[in-house]
Amino acid sequence: AQSVTQPDIHITVSEGASLELRCNYSYGATPYLFWYVQSPGQGLQLLLKYFSGDTLVQGIKGFEAEFKRSQSSFNLRKPSVHWSDAAEYFCAVGGGGTYKYIFGTGTRLKVLA
Amino acid sequence: NAGVTQTPKFQVLKTGQSMTLQCAQDMNHNSMYWYRQDPGMGLRLIYYSASEGTTDKGEVPNGYNVSRLNKREFSLRLESAAPSQTSVYFCASSARDRGSSYEQYFGPGTRLTVT
Repeated sequence: AQSVTQPDIHITVSEGASLELRCNYSYGATPYLFWYVQSPGQGLQLLLKYFSGDTLVQGIKGFEAEFKRSQSSFNLRKPSVHWSDAAEYFCAVGGGGTYKYIFGTGTRLKVLA
Repeated sequence: NAGVTQTPKFQVLKTGQSMTLQCAQDMNHNSMYWYRQDPGMGLRLIYYSASEGTTDKGEVPNGYNVSRLNKREFSLRLESAAPSQTSVYFCASSARDRGSSYEQYFGPGTRLTVT
């Protein structure tokens, strides 16, 4: 079955600390992978995406993610977190001839001053 | 360029009432989607429209109907609202053309409460 797992429901980090949000997927075809961010009361905004090529992709707001096919993972990272990064983050997978996308249940990030 | 717009932003319904959520995009995208977001459950696909003139069920279609009015507009209708349909509803669109980047663009959401 196709699925996306974000094992961490909540993560708390101090401002300036590094961040890694985990995403594992199960998908029958070549995956297109996405990370979105949602601030409270807002819609979802694309942070970055992976289709093919270089497995380390750069996104907006200083985020990056690495695609590891052998581990079926697409973890999101940021070297130094800012208070404004507090939000909910969603990993999603699509592609392979289907128009559907599958979303993880999200990770809520709290940043301590 | 407004992107994806949704109306209304908030709505309170009584059980059994009907309503239509409106969505429009001005990016000339082929594909449009309706999701619901509930705490701890992420986004779940209700219906989608791969292209103008087609609609298909997603993961949780029961209790909903959709209309792809034209390329720009995709509406979601609740014929007889139930408390279980209390949720935040998001519309999204995607290009899905050869050479496009396949990401989805989301509207700001409609917060619906059914009492």
